[in-house]
Amino acid sequence: DAGITQSPRHKVTETGTPVTLRCHQTENHRYMYWYRQDPGHGLRLIHYSYGVKDTDKGEVSDGYSVSRSKTEDFLLTLESATSSQTSVYFCAIRRASSGLNTGELFFGEGSRLTVL
Amino acid sequence: AQSVTQLGSHVSVSEGALVLLRCNYSSSVPPYLFWYVQYPNQGLQLLLKYTSAATLVKGINGFEAEFKKSETSFHLTKPSAHMSDAAEYFCAVSEGAAGNKLTFGGGTRVLVKP
Repeated sequence: DAGITQSPRHKVTETGTPVTLRCHQTENHRYMYWYRQDPGHGLRLIHYSYGVKDTDKGEVSDGYSVSRSKTEDFLLTLESATSSQTSVYFCAIRRASSGLNTGELFFGEGSRLTVL
Repeated sequence: AQSVTQLGSHVSVSEGALVLLRCNYSSSVPPYLFWYVQYPNQGLQLLLKYTSAATLVKGINGFEAEFKKSETSFHLTKPSAHMSDAAEYFCAVSEGAAGNKLTFGGGTRVLVKP
């Protein structure tokens, strides 16, 4: 258990409404990630964070913003949700092994978002 | 830039038969490579990883994968499929120790027939 909690786990919303997904970790890891999962596309990186207030874009960042005001929380916001953002969103943390970066990520259980 | 290609979005195997899932990668630096498994309605779980040590890597649940630099491949195998192996499998690559992102393939869904 990597101590990652995502909320909400399920959400249905309407086009044009704002949505915020929360990822909470209990282990004080520096790196946190948001991916989306869609059939045939695997997981695609939206944004990631390498520290408080330090974030960077991934390959599918358009329409999304993130914030990290404290180490344990990484928020993903859809300012105005669209149907193309219907997806399963996964948060992940990077945990070093014996102080070494092995690149391995640990994932939360996912948040299923439906935009009508 | 790094990328991953998984050949076959769906694979059907009989129980007891060999499982072979193919993964080819592209990376500008020596890569780290991963296989993850996802059971229905769950998150991703690490099966195994290659981080420049032994080229044949053994993971959980009887799976193993071999890193072949000349073929830029990291195929996943299991000698004998179990019903419990039915899941979706993802190959992923990062740019070695300096990498801070994982890039995933499109996934392969495995169906195990009795």
